[in-house]
Amino acid sequence: DAGVTQSPTHLIKTRGQQVTLRCSPKSGHDTVSWYQQALGQGPQFIFQYYEEEERQRGNFPDRFSGHQFPNYSSELNVNALLLGDSALYLCASSLGIAGYEQYFGPGTRLTVT
Amino acid sequence: TQLLEQSPQFLSIQEGENLTVYCNSSSVFSSLQWYRQEPGEGPVLLVTVVTGGEVKKLKRLTFQFGDARKDSSLHITAAQPGDTGLYLCAGPMNTGFQKLVFGTGTRLLVSP
Repeated sequence: DAGVTQSPTHLIKTRGQQVTLRCSPKSGHDTVSWYQQALGQGPQFIFQYYEEEERQRGNFPDRFSGHQFPNYSSELNVNALLLGDSALYLCASSLGIAGYEQYFGPGTRLTVT
Repeated sequence: TQLLEQSPQFLSIQEGENLTVYCNSSSVFSSLQWYRQEPGEGPVLLVTVVTGGEVKKLKRLTFQFGDARKDSSLHITAAQPGDTGLYLCAGPMNTGFQKLVFGTGTRLLVSP
């Protein structure tokens, strides 16, 4: 049973560039949530996708956008990168819009220079 | 705003010692979850507590949900170096969706 997978593992970008991160949910899960985790802090909710639509959004600017595909996989896009966007980006999957247990992937470490 | 405060923020102990980590809020949560995260990895779900007063055990780890569902604790008995990591509590926001709010985290270091 494949767990949540994310790619790439690490990424280095420069300020102003754009980045796309990818996530495949755990087998059988249909909901994907994205989190940003700064060093030494707990994850912060970015947004959640269900049925290919953004269902909820945290306190993040429009530079952060996403997409969910028919196979439930998801992408996170960040435009006009800032130094402060450097973080571990986590994808979590779950079953159904009201389920409360989320399973996390290993994350993508983004460094903006 | 639902916030979760964890204490202590950092704990360094010797192998074999016992410890307790606390997760507190002024808000009521329908459930609380505990995760452990190792460096460079995503959080791994340890347990979910749902009922006020509930106690769950996972080997040497004991989790308790407060009667009022505003707080939770994690007790580790006879800690081992393999318990080292960042412990996070998390709970769903009252939105009907799966938006989790995470605690501030407790970093545990167990030395041999």
